[in-house]
Amino acid sequence: RKEVEQDPGPFNVPEGATVAFNCTYSNSASQSFFWYRQDCRKEPKLLMSVYSSGNEDGRFTAQLNRASQYISLLIRDSKLSDSATYLCVVNRAGGSYIPTFGRGTSLIVHP
Amino acid sequence: DVKVTQSSRYLVKRTGEKVFLECVQDMDHENMFWYRQDPGLGLRLIYFSYDVKMKEKGDIPEGYSVSREKKERFSLILESASTNQTSMYLCASEGQGSSGNTIYFGEGSWLTVV
Repeated sequence: RKEVEQDPGPFNVPEGATVAFNCTYSNSASQSFFWYRQDCRKEPKLLMSVYSSGNEDGRFTAQLNRASQYISLLIRDSKLSDSATYLCVVNRAGGSYIPTFGRGTSLIVHP
Repeated sequence: DVKVTQSSRYLVKRTGEKVFLECVQDMDHENMFWYRQDPGLGLRLIYFSYDVKMKEKGDIPEGYSVSREKKERFSLILESASTNQTSMYLCASEGQGSSGNTIYFGEGSWLTVV
C-alpha cells in the first residue's frame, strides 16, 4: 500500500458545483496534513493545513478522519480558476518531519 | 514572503555530463528537500537536509548527491546525467508559517538529458 493515495481523476465538474476529494494515508502515527494546489507546469503551493477538528477557508473545507486514516477537501461553488491538481501531503512520522506527497487529483471546472 | 530560488529553470544536458542544480532560500529554514516530479508518479523525494553539512537519502537517491555547505543553499548534483533523469526538479524549504510547519517550493528546474 502506498504511503499516501489519491484518486488521480480527473474530476470534471461544471461551475458552481461542489466537489470533494479524499486522500488516504498508511502511517497511523502521521501528525501533520496539508492540501497543496499545483497549476500546470508550476510549483505546488499551500492551499490549507488540515486540523483534527476540521477547518474552513472560504469555499474550501478540509477534514481529517484519524480512525479511517484519510483527509478530505471539499470545494463549494467551483470556479473556473479552481482547475488544477490538488496534492495531499502527509508528514512521515518517526521523529523528523518528512513531507510525503500523494500523486494528486486533477480537477477541471468547465463553464 | 518566503523565497525559494532555483537559479536554473531550463537546462539541456548531454548524457554523462555533471549537472548542478542550485537552490537558495531566504528564511533561515533548517529543513530543505529535493524532489523530482514525473507524470503519473507525483513528487518523489531524492534527498533532504536538516542542517548544514547534514544530508539524508530520500526514496530515490541513486544517481544523485547533494551539498549543504551553507544553511541557505542546498545543491543537487547529478554526477553523470542519464536520459532517465529527464524530469522537473523541485527544491523545497520547510519552516513555520501561519498554518504551522509549511513547505515552500522553488519554481522548479526542467532538465532534459539527451
